[in-house]
Amino acid sequence: NAGVTQTPKFQVLKTGQSMTLQCAQDMNHEYMSWYRQDPGMGLRLIHYSVGAGITDQGEVPNGYNVSRSTTEDFPLRLLSAAPSQTSVYFCASSYVSPGETDTQYFGPGTRLTVL
Amino acid sequence: AQSVSQHNHHVILSEAASLELGCNYSYGGTVNLFWYVQYPGQHLQLLLKYFSGDPLVKGIKGFEAEFIKSKFSFNLRKPSVQWSDTAEYFCAVYAYNTDKLIFGTGTRLQVFP
Repeated sequence: NAGVTQTPKFQVLKTGQSMTLQCAQDMNHEYMSWYRQDPGMGLRLIHYSVGAGITDQGEVPNGYNVSRSTTEDFPLRLLSAAPSQTSVYFCASSYVSPGETDTQYFGPGTRLTVL
Repeated sequence: AQSVSQHNHHVILSEAASLELGCNYSYGGTVNLFWYVQYPGQHLQLLLKYFSGDPLVKGIKGFEAEFIKSKFSFNLRKPSVQWSDTAEYFCAVYAYNTDKLIFGTGTRLQVFP
């Protein structure tokens, strides 16, 4: 049981490049979320999914796309990276909505720098 | 819009000092409340939660928090901090009608021996 895994751990991009941050969980959780963590701004929800084939926007969705083709995977795509997307990205999963459970598991994070 | 405020951005304490971190939210309906902690180099983990019942909740490592509905507050307390409590602390609020968990901006706690 690996929990929530994220790859890569670190990434440097140039402005305009695209990339996909990978997130996977092996706990059969329906609910998955992507957050970004910025100094002085805490964690902000980017996108979330309540199950395979279902995604929705969070607080800061612009510039990011997600899809959920399987229960296990929830990749986050940056279409055209901008310096404002420099951040630490966390993926999280839970059986039910993270606001209704005390067992939301977070991944180790991806530190992204956009030059 | 739902928001969560943590007014203490950076707190510095000596070991054995008492701790209180403020958390206020702006939402009038039913909420669930959380405190998460992020130790240096680690990812977030749950410290404690309030869903219903006794408004004074106890969490791990001697932490507790009190939900005061009339003040829309959920302050975190610990009577005597330790060096190992050095971390960043996040308050989070879930409002049932939005189905979103909103985090505060975080409070960085540094405890010196």
